[in-house]
Amino acid sequence: DAGVTQSPTHLIKTRGQQVTLRCSPKSGHDTVSWYQQALGQGPQFIFQYYEEEERQRGNFPDRFSGHQFPNYSSELNVNALLLGDSALYLCASSLAGRNSPLHFGNGTRLTVT
Amino acid sequence: SQQGEEDPQALSIQEGENATMNCSYKTSINNLQWYRQNSGRGLVHLILIRSNEREKHSGRLRVTLDTSKKSSSLLITASRAADTASYFCATAGFMNTGFQKLVFGTGTRLLVSP
Repeated sequence: DAGVTQSPTHLIKTRGQQVTLRCSPKSGHDTVSWYQQALGQGPQFIFQYYEEEERQRGNFPDRFSGHQFPNYSSELNVNALLLGDSALYLCASSLAGRNSPLHFGNGTRLTVT
Repeated sequence: SQQGEEDPQALSIQEGENATMNCSYKTSINNLQWYRQNSGRGLVHLILIRSNEREKHSGRLRVTLDTSKKSSSLLITASRAADTASYFCATAGFMNTGFQKLVFGTGTRLLVSP
C-alpha cells in the first residue's frame, strides 16, 4: 500500500523563478493538504484540495497556488520565488471528514538562492 | 501563525525514562492530534483525542486533554533511543465546511540517549 509520495525531494531555484511541486496521495485518500515548514518551526497550513477544488486556505499570498487532478494527485505552484520561500514543503492526504488523521509525505526541500 | 505552543522546546533523557511533553492552544477545538517527525522527514500521526475525551492510550503513549485549560500532554513511557524525534501537537477547529484544518505547534525536540 503506497503512502504519500512527493517529487522532487530536493530543489534549488533562484529568486524570481517559479516552481512546481507534486504529490500523490495515499491510496484511497481523496483530500490533499499542503504545508510549509521552515527550519526549526512547525508546519504552516497553505491550502487544502478536495474534488479538484481549493476548500481552505491559510495565510499565504496568491503567489502560492495549487491544483488537484481527477486521480486525487496534487501540485503546488509558487511564483516569483523569494528567499523566504526556502523551506520543506509537505503534502498530506486524508479522507474527507472531521476526524481523519493526516498521512504525510517526506516533503520537498526547496532552497531559493 | 502557530496555534499551539509545546513545552519544553527540547528534552533530553536516558533510555527507560518517561518523557512528558505539553501543548497549550488558544481557541476551541474539535480534536487535538500528536505527530512525530524524524529529522528532515515527513510527520507520522501518533494519536488523536476528541474534545469530549480526557485521556487516551496507544501502546507506550498516553495523551490527556484539558479543554478548560486549553492544554494537552503527551507521555511516552519507557523511552527508547528510537523515540528520538520532534513531536508536534496539532489542533483542528470546528469547521462548517466539514473540512478540518490542522494547525501545528512549535514542537518539542526529544533526545533519548542509550
